[in-house]
Amino acid sequence: DAGVIQSPRHEVTEMGQEVTLRCKPISGHDYLFWYRQTMMRGLELLIYFNNNVPIDDSGMPEDRFSAKMPNASFSTLKIQPSEPRDSAVYFCASSLGGLRIHKNIQYFGAGTRLSVL
Amino acid sequence: GQQLNQSPQSMFIQEGEDVSMNCTSSSIFNTWLWYKQEPGEGPVLLIALYKAGELTSNGRLTAQFGITRKDSFLNISASIPSDVGIYFCAALYNNNDMRFGAGTRLTVKP
Repeated sequence: DAGVIQSPRHEVTEMGQEVTLRCKPISGHDYLFWYRQTMMRGLELLIYFNNNVPIDDSGMPEDRFSAKMPNASFSTLKIQPSEPRDSAVYFCASSLGGLRIHKNIQYFGAGTRLSVL
Repeated sequence: GQQLNQSPQSMFIQEGEDVSMNCTSSSIFNTWLWYKQEPGEGPVLLIALYKAGELTSNGRLTAQFGITRKDSFLNISASIPSDVGIYFCAALYNNNDMRFGAGTRLTVKP
């Protein structure tokens, strides 16, 4: 399996522009997670989906952030309008899900490094 | 959010030395995990621990799930330059709630 695939790997944009980050989870995984990583705050969970349905979006910082999962193999995280403080590395992770605890281990993509100028 | 206290924050060691890092929490967890993140990459799972007291090895890495279920440690023996990176502890509170430590940044001098 190719693992969790994220694109783009790097994104540089200007303040006020719309940014869309993409994620393809591991095939067969029912859970998908979006994280943000910064030096100050470490890894923060933004939102997660189960079977394409958003379950917990309490970590989404503002209304400028939105996430969708139109099907089992694709998710997007959108920031509109972007601001310099959104600069961070954004990770997508997926897990099988299920009653057995080992099925809930999360596997991460390589991340998208976002710079908002 | 981060509810795991990971230490040390950073380590500068000589190649060949052993490394030890740990994570503690005020809460009980059912699973402890250790990830490694290399520059420009995402965290990669190194070791998973499922039972209190469990001691698991993966090559030169050894990790233990604390008997109180509130802590875990990771040891790296005979460090090599490619051990460089940030090591994160993580713990599963329930099936979908994973908490992370702030990470230990390891630098290995040849």
